[in-house]
Amino acid sequence: QAGLTQPPSVSGGLRQTATLTCTGNNNNVGNQGAAWLQQHQGHPPQLLSFRNNNRPSGISERFSASRSGNTASLTITGLQPEDEADYYCSAWDSSLTAVVFGGGTKLTVL
Amino acid sequence: EVQLVESGGGLVQPGGSLRLSCEASGFTFSDHYVDWVRQAPGKGLEWVGRSRNKANSYSTEYAASVKGRFTVSRDDSMHSLYLQMNSLKTEDTAVYYCARTTPSNFFDYWGRGTLVTVSS
Repeated sequence: QAGLTQPPSVSGGLRQTATLTCTGNNNNVGNQGAAWLQQHQGHPPQLLSFRNNNRPSGISERFSASRSGNTASLTITGLQPEDEADYYCSAWDSSLTAVVFGGGTKLTVL
Repeated sequence: EVQLVESGGGLVQPGGSLRLSCEASGFTFSDHYVDWVRQAPGKGLEWVGRSRNKANSYSTEYAASVKGRFTVSRDDSMHSLYLQMNSLKTEDTAVYYCARTTPSNFFDYWGRGTLVTVSS
């Protein structure tokens, strides 16, 4: 099944800002919006944001999401060492009647 | 506290079958959709299938890669979700997670996963 497109890797300096992108189409990101998940090595994913910029309780305000057309973005400000992780976007695809994921972006904090 | 605990993983030969379970607690299980998501070693997340709630007739959806081989079911009285996996292939080797899902289609809680290895 066609998935969402994410860059394989992104890096940013300590206390700097990193922006991750996720590109889909009119049937998924452009229609339903996207969710962002963070996954540290050896742990299950954790929801960071949903419906483009809603954060579950306990998620830092340093994580903010947005959408423009068929592309969703996750911006992480004030990068910290603990932000090093894999980040996935997901969305419901109304044409496929399936959840689609991005391939994941590995964030490195320099 | 919302908890999801998967079990039933293990080693199985190609062509074999396995049944995974996911026991939920800390929320009204019957009100929620619950999905299975898997992750092959060193790879990304892949959606497997969904069970909607009673209000939506317990309808199910499946990824194309597992349709016809895997079956998602649930028992609300046991607060449990199941994944019956038949005709297993080596490419089904993965950690299988269950995840609570909202009608807006995002996964707000995840279990810790159970490893399924398909190998001869």
